[in-house]
Amino acid sequence: DADVTQTPRNRITKTGKRIMLECSQTKGHDRMYWYRQDPGLGLRLIYYSFDVKDINKGEISDGYSVSRQAQAKFSLSLESAIPNQTALYFCATSGSTGRTDTQYFGPGTRLTVL
Amino acid sequence: GENVEQHPSTLSVQEGDSAVIKCTYSDSASNYFPWYKQELGKGPQLIIDIRSNVGEKKDQRIAVTLNKTAKHFSLHITETQPEDSAVYFCAASGDRGDSWGKLQFGAGTQVVVTP
Repeated sequence: DADVTQTPRNRITKTGKRIMLECSQTKGHDRMYWYRQDPGLGLRLIYYSFDVKDINKGEISDGYSVSRQAQAKFSLSLESAIPNQTALYFCATSGSTGRTDTQYFGPGTRLTVL
Repeated sequence: GENVEQHPSTLSVQEGDSAVIKCTYSDSASNYFPWYKQELGKGPQLIIDIRSNVGEKKDQRIAVTLNKTAKHFSLHITETQPEDSAVYFCAASGDRGDSWGKLQFGAGTQVVVTP
């Protein structure tokens, strides 16, 4: 969805490097999410935020951190990248209607850690 | 927490035939079940969803059925076309407790429609 953008789209880095993946949205949504996709494992939730002052760990948060700089921006950091963090990373947003709502995904970032 | 299992992992169908993907969930409190389609190089996109107060929902060639007693839901695609080739994900969520506002995804089904 063009309303959710992710940068970079592709990144190759080395073990031990610090990496930041960025997500921006123009949908005006309060809720933002970071997922990781690995073959055969589906999408697994890393962190999520329901508003600017809210940060929550997901299913697989170890080795990752996030920052919600504004309603529209949610960044994912790998403080010291390791090879098993090689994966596709997706950012998603959803509205805050008081119930679970449709999530809109960005195009993804393919990260390779050598 | 919620656990969602999805089958099959791959599905090959002839153009014009039907495709069925099945998912089961573990948390009886789950009440929202979306299906996402992911094309190559793109993010997942919602194609249809169903809430627990409905047993079936249809949108043109796609339909979803829900059996809350058995805790399973299915995606049906009729008259498949080559553009239906993609990875399909089911997901489940609830409106309370730990699952509120979060989706638990199945592992995905690679659908290939051959002309």
